[in-house]
Amino acid sequence: NAGVTQTPKFQVLKTGQSMTLQCAQDMNHEYMSWYRQDPGMGLRLIHYSVGAGITDQGEVPNGYNVSRSTTEDFPLRLLSAAPSQTSVYFCASSSTGLAGGNEQFFGPGTRLTVL
Amino acid sequence: AQTVTQSQPEMSVQEAETVTLSCTYDTSENNYYLFWYKQPPSRQMILVIRQEAYKQQNATENRFSVNFQKAAKSFSLKISDSQLGDTAMYFCAFMKQRYNQGGKLIFGQGTELSVKP
Repeated sequence: NAGVTQTPKFQVLKTGQSMTLQCAQDMNHEYMSWYRQDPGMGLRLIHYSVGAGITDQGEVPNGYNVSRSTTEDFPLRLLSAAPSQTSVYFCASSSTGLAGGNEQFFGPGTRLTVL
Repeated sequence: AQTVTQSQPEMSVQEAETVTLSCTYDTSENNYYLFWYKQPPSRQMILVIRQEAYKQQNATENRFSVNFQKAAKSFSLKISDSQLGDTAMYFCAFMKQRYNQGGKLIFGQGTELSVKP
């Protein structure tokens, strides 16, 4: 199993550009999430999904879109990048069972810089 | 809303000694999970230990153990016999125990731990 994979690992954008961060998992997990990590703030939830076709907003959703057409993939879209979106982005997945509480498996992260 | 607070931005410990990292949280939920994650310089997030709020017994995983005080909303991590490989950022995290909450972790700010030889 590859686990949770993210591409790209690094990306530099100019303000106003758009891009998609890719996330895929091969563990047949129902839950998938996107977090951003900023110094001194820990990880904050951007969007999450409880299954194909179902997504919802987290703490910091503004400026980001998601969709989940398959169980395996959960891409994160930045429609018009801003310097405030400079961050490290993590995708995570976990299985269902007993109302959650299962380990979230994290991808290796994408470091995004917006100039 | 739930919040998680780690009041120690940085800590250091000598190799082979014991260190305790603090975490407090605020919630009106009665059933939830608490986690400690480790993030070494490689940036990979690694689960260290998990505690179910309905369990009174504190979780342990080898050299790692927690002191869970539900009434005080406190969840500290004790690392015994510290090793150089324990050097990392440590995050405390909270998750509600409810249907469809499995993908929603709330993290603290992190504590950067340095283990010195």
